Amino acid sequence: DSGVTQTPKHLITATGQRVTLRCSPRSGDLSVYWYQQSLDQGLQFLIHYYNGEERAKGNILERFSAQQFPDLHSELNLSSLELGDSALYFCASSEVAGGNSPLHFGNGTRLTVT
Amino acid sequence: SQQGEEDPQALSIQEGENATMNCSYKTSINNLQWYRQNSGRGLVHLILIRSNEREKHSGRLRVTLDTSKKSSSLLITASRAADTASYFCATAEYNQGGKLIFGQGTELSVKP
Repeated sequence: DSGVTQTPKHLITATGQRVTLRCSPRSGDLSVYWYQQSLDQGLQFLIHYYNGEERAKGNILERFSAQQFPDLHSELNLSSLELGDSALYFCASSEVAGGNSPLHFGNGTRLTVT
Repeated sequence: SQQGEEDPQALSIQEGENATMNCSYKTSINNLQWYRQNSGRGLVHLILIRSNEREKHSGRLRVTLDTSKKSSSLLITASRAADTASYFCATAEYNQGGKLIFGQGTELSVKP
């Protein structure tokens, strides 16, 4: 058990809808990362927060947004969903920023857009 | 965008054999990490090797890093069926504020 909790585990929704994925990092970890994993794109870095501040952005679509709250949990909001957004979305946490310590991954949220 | 590229994409071996996976990357890095993923599950961290290190061991795992060639290898010795998984390298680039970029992974199958 990594200590990182992601909810929900599965999400099925229709095109055009909006969903929110939630992540609770491991106790004591200040950094949160979001990744999208699909068969054709592999594991894509979306965004990184450290102690509430955005630190790095990857190939995150404008339809997607994220934030990290004062209690350090994070949410990833996906809107105007398209079929191609169907993927596994992972949250990971680490002690420090900068990718200089191991990441601890949650078990992901599997999003299916129909 | 992918920074690390793993080779081979897939590897099938017998139990007891050694498995070697390679990773190449493009830019200067702070460190390189290896992760393992069982089908549909979260990734699990295996080893972190810093840019000033050349080799690191953890149990049956041995990782090497050659910054001049921008490459790393992961060796699993005396493999077991339970080692069957996908293995990914990930790089933390200089001055990129915390991006940890993963390669496409090597799918390892260890047959009993």
